[in-house]
Amino acid sequence: DIQMTQSPSSVSASVGDRVTITCRASQGISSWLGWYQQKPGKAPKLLIYAASSLESGVPSRFSGSGSGTDFTLTISSLQPEDFATYYCQQANSFPLTFGGGTKVEIK
Amino acid sequence: QVQLVQSGSEVKKPGASVKVSCKASGYTFTSYDINWVRQATGQGLEWMGWMNPNSGNTGYAQKFQGRVTMTRNTSIRTAYMELSSLRSEDTAVYHCATTLGELLFFDYWGQGTLVTVSS
Repeated sequence: DIQMTQSPSSVSASVGDRVTITCRASQGISSWLGWYQQKPGKAPKLLIYAASSLESGVPSRFSGSGSGTDFTLTISSLQPEDFATYYCQQANSFPLTFGGGTKVEIK
Repeated sequence: QVQLVQSGSEVKKPGASVKVSCKASGYTFTSYDINWVRQATGQGLEWMGWMNPNSGNTGYAQKFQGRVTMTRNTSIRTAYMELSSLRSEDTAVYHCATTLGELLFFDYWGQGTLVTVSS
């Protein structure tokens, strides 16, 4: 199975800050990487797919980059509604696997 | 609009089975795989497997092989996930999810079903 490791596990930030979250795969997954946002009590929401493609309706302050084993999610200017937990997911091979999550908290 | 609506919460005893339903609307049910993902309280996301609603073909994560069964009823556009031999570690919210594309990223999710396993 491909292990997905996210860092940091949590980050404290202020509105307007630039936030970067990293995801590392235990083996190469090309660009088969997605990012999700999850708020308490809600289902995850797809933000980015195929490493850098923005899902329809997602604000452009979210961006993704990377390929192979190392990937990044960037929020260019954090907004109040962005405080949530973020997960990466590899779609290269079964079983599909997720990272452990990064909680973005208010500083 | 695309919707996946799941059945309500369940409380089960250890050793029992649970069957969760996921009713689809707003798209052609038989055209896109349904996947199941679970999340224990305060924990991360865990993919369980997929089912093709057209053929009934399935693929399960090794961890759940022998305990999980994914089925469907196409006449009522509903997918099912049954998990047997329940243990306390199976206490979690179970989500169905799908994508209306070719890639294995999920843009539509059910609201989740809490399954509590307790004696």
